[in-house]
Amino acid sequence: NAGVTQTPKFRVLKTGQSMTLLCAQDMNHEYMYWYRQDPGMGLRLIHYSVGEGTTAKGEVPDGYNVSRLKKQNFLLGLESAAPSQTSVYFCASSYFSQGTEAFFGQGTRLTVV
Amino acid sequence: GESVGLHLPTLSVQEGDNSIINCAYSNSASDYFIWYKQESGKGPQFIIDIRSNMDKRQGQRVTVLLNKTVKHLSLQIAATQPGDSAVYFCAENSGGSNYKLTFGKGTLLTVNP
Repeated sequence: NAGVTQTPKFRVLKTGQSMTLLCAQDMNHEYMYWYRQDPGMGLRLIHYSVGEGTTAKGEVPDGYNVSRLKKQNFLLGLESAAPSQTSVYFCASSYFSQGTEAFFGQGTRLTVV
Repeated sequence: GESVGLHLPTLSVQEGDNSIINCAYSNSASDYFIWYKQESGKGPQFIIDIRSNMDKRQGQRVTVLLNKTVKHLSLQIAATQPGDSAVYFCAENSGGSNYKLTFGKGTLLTVNP
């Protein structure tokens, strides 16, 4: 049971380049989330999904897009990367939104130069 | 304690001592709380949770206390071990249509052998 798997683990982008981060979960969870983690800021929610085909904005959605075409996958896209998007990105999933814990992936360290 | 700039609150203890990590949460409507442990280079891992209709919950070597009157959460770790060294986050879920967990900024626990 792999849990939540993120691809890639590390990436360096030039300003203006685009990329997609992939999150896959094998726990049949309905809810999936993308967070970013910056020093001293804790984890902040970028976008989330409450089921296949649905997405919604979180706390810091600007500059990111997401898609949930399949229940097990949640993609995070950066159309035009900026240095301010240098961060560690975590994907998480949960059975429900309330009253259950979220399971996290190992993270993707992204540097935009 | 409060975080200052990019610096996390820190707690340094001796191996075998008990540790208490504190968290002040923000939303009086929050009905579910979780403690996560994050080791360097890894994603957050679930430790223990508590619902708002409880004031104490115990796990293996860990106890979570909830004081709704002052919106305070604490994590007690008994007989702290070097493997407990990590950043600890509290998270709250305010229920209703709010699907996200709101995370605190974290506390760095260092266990000295």
